[in-house]
Amino acid sequence: NAGVTQTPKFQVLKTGQSMTLQCAQDMNHEYMSWYRQDPGMGLRLIHYSVGAGITDQGEVPNGYNVSRSTTEDFPLRLLSAAPSQTSVYFCASKPDGAPYNEQFFGPGTRLTVL
Amino acid sequence: AQKVTQVQTEISVVEKEDVTLDCVYETRDTTYYLFWYKQPPSGELVFLIRRNSFDEQNEISGRYSWNFQKSTSSFNFTITASQVVDSAVYFCALSDRSNAGGTSYGKLTFGQGTILTVHP
Repeated sequence: NAGVTQTPKFQVLKTGQSMTLQCAQDMNHEYMSWYRQDPGMGLRLIHYSVGAGITDQGEVPNGYNVSRSTTEDFPLRLLSAAPSQTSVYFCASKPDGAPYNEQFFGPGTRLTVL
Repeated sequence: AQKVTQVQTEISVVEKEDVTLDCVYETRDTTYYLFWYKQPPSGELVFLIRRNSFDEQNEISGRYSWNFQKSTSSFNFTITASQVVDSAVYFCALSDRSNAGGTSYGKLTFGQGTILTVHP
């Protein structure tokens, strides 16, 4: 059981470039989400999904796209990277949308946009 | 809207000292869940504890203890006899049902984190 995996671990982009952060889980969890972590701000929700084919916006969705074609995968796309998107990105999953479930987090992707 | 505030931004202690991390939350829901996560220097997020709004019983797990008080909207975390390995960023988080349609899908609202440094 690998849990939640994220690739890449580190990435450097130039302003305007696009890229996809990959996230996969092997626990058959319905609920998956993306957070970004910035100093002094904790983790903030970008997008989330309650099942294949269903996604919704979180607190800071601008500049990011998501899709959920399978239960296992939940990629995060940066359409045109900006320096403000320099951050550490965490993918998380949990069995379903019930609020009492703790989320399982991936190891994170550290992104720098120059 | 829900909000979580971690009172201390940074705490520095010497090994074997006791240390308390304070967390204050706001929510309009009567049913909610509070969490603590630990982020060690390696960067991963480790789940520590969950507490629901109906259970105000304090909890102790080894050197860790949690004090939940609904009257003051606080969920504080104490480490007894701290060790260098406790050095980490600690996050308090809230999950409730407040959202359009009454369903939040368990979205977590995090505090800004408390950086704990334990010196040998």
